Amino acid sequence: GAVVSQHPSRVICKSGTSVKIECRSLDFQATTMFWYRQFPKQSLMLMATSNEGSKATYEQGVEKDKFLINHASLTLSTLTVTSAHPEDSSFYICSARIPGQFNEQFFGPGTRLTVL
Amino acid sequence: QQPVQSPQAVILREGEDAVINCSSSKALYSVHWYRQKHGEAPVFLMILLKGGEQKGHEKISASFNEKKQQSSLYLTASQLSYSGTYFCGTHPLNAGGTSYGKLTFGQGTILTVHP
Repeated sequence: GAVVSQHPSRVICKSGTSVKIECRSLDFQATTMFWYRQFPKQSLMLMATSNEGSKATYEQGVEKDKFLINHASLTLSTLTVTSAHPEDSSFYICSARIPGQFNEQFFGPGTRLTVL
Repeated sequence: QQPVQSPQAVILREGEDAVINCSSSKALYSVHWYRQKHGEAPVFLMILLKGGEQKGHEKISASFNEKKQQSSLYLTASQLSYSGTYFCGTHPLNAGGTSYGKLTFGQGTILTVHP
């Protein structure tokens, strides 16, 4: 299957700082990537759809000014959590879609964010 | 709207079988199945398309009843490595007969396999 990487895998930061998470598709080009957030023992909640070369599409209730998404190339999307607060602590996972009949999505390994 | 999975949790002994169900209130274009182990990202298992096509692992089987808007994942002769949380993700069917390409995940089914 396709490989998606995420960096960093774990980050601890102070309240009020910004954190950038990178998502890369290593062996394929992804025009569309997705960002999810997952709280302990809960499902994956879609935050936004990242489209290469255009603005991201955010899900209802997700603040676009707080969660900045940039998809500057066909293999890289970044999520920046601005002015992070303890309630932003979560597991952030990206996925990349292989376009076609099946629309397969492959997930990155995730980033555990802890805001102190 | 989030698909509903059942059961919420299953406990098995090695070698036993299990079925995990996923129901949607909307007509579906496809159903995707993933397994997630604690602290890790979901791993792709299988995709089932409206019309009957499938793509996935040889040792895992699943069904998709388009009329009932349901899918079932069949885990046979379970192994310890099958333990984890199973998620179904659904692509709703749009007016054009395809999908919007955005997966909505169920709440998950926790599968525990004991020796």
